[in-house]
Amino acid sequence: AQTVTQSQPEMSVQEAETVTLSCTYDTSESDYYLFWYKQPPSRQMILVIRQEAYKQQNATENRFSVNFQKAAKSFSLKISDSQLGDAAMYFCAYRHKAAGNKLTFGGGTRVLVKP
Amino acid sequence: DVKVTQSSRYLVKRTGEKVFLECVQDMDHENMFWYRQDPGLGLRLIYFSYDVKMKEKGDIPEGYSVSREKKERFSLILESASTNQTSMYLCASSLLGQGTDTQYFGPGTRLTVL
Repeated sequence: AQTVTQSQPEMSVQEAETVTLSCTYDTSESDYYLFWYKQPPSRQMILVIRQEAYKQQNATENRFSVNFQKAAKSFSLKISDSQLGDAAMYFCAYRHKAAGNKLTFGGGTRVLVKP
Repeated sequence: DVKVTQSSRYLVKRTGEKVFLECVQDMDHENMFWYRQDPGLGLRLIYFSYDVKMKEKGDIPEGYSVSREKKERFSLILESASTNQTSMYLCASSLLGQGTDTQYFGPGTRLTVL
């Protein structure tokens, strides 16, 4: 079974600075997708960024970018120019391509943004 | 915008009660999911459904059942609630098919079983 591990329960960052969240996963598959979801306090979870395993290029969405290291099974999220609205729980998730749309989530990392 | 709604934000029930959690989505999505979220464990899949009257067990189905009589509605049922089912429950929906289809989440129901 696939597992997703987020080793940082909580991270703190100063406004306007950069923070990197780590995620590692365990799989024997070669074709899969990886995601970062954001859950703001008392608000609905939303997708931040996705990565397809067969793509070498790291995904980027505005201030959010990933560092995908397939051989190391690592998928970190970098938040640049952090804003107060970035404060949230962040979840890394994995989906095997042939698994329908079933996601396996990590335990989450809480990001605190200091003004 | 996709909207996923859940019937209650907070719910308090007694041990042994039958509990219904309702989820409705308005985007004609085929897939619907129920997760429970616990600190440090992230989200764990309880059940999912890819069509009306179809359901499949997720990773932690014990103590739960589901019902999908209409495409837009997916219900989670706790037949006899227990204290270890105290948790946050999240519903999600998505389109059917391969690819990187986004899951859209509801606001969650925080269930406390006393």
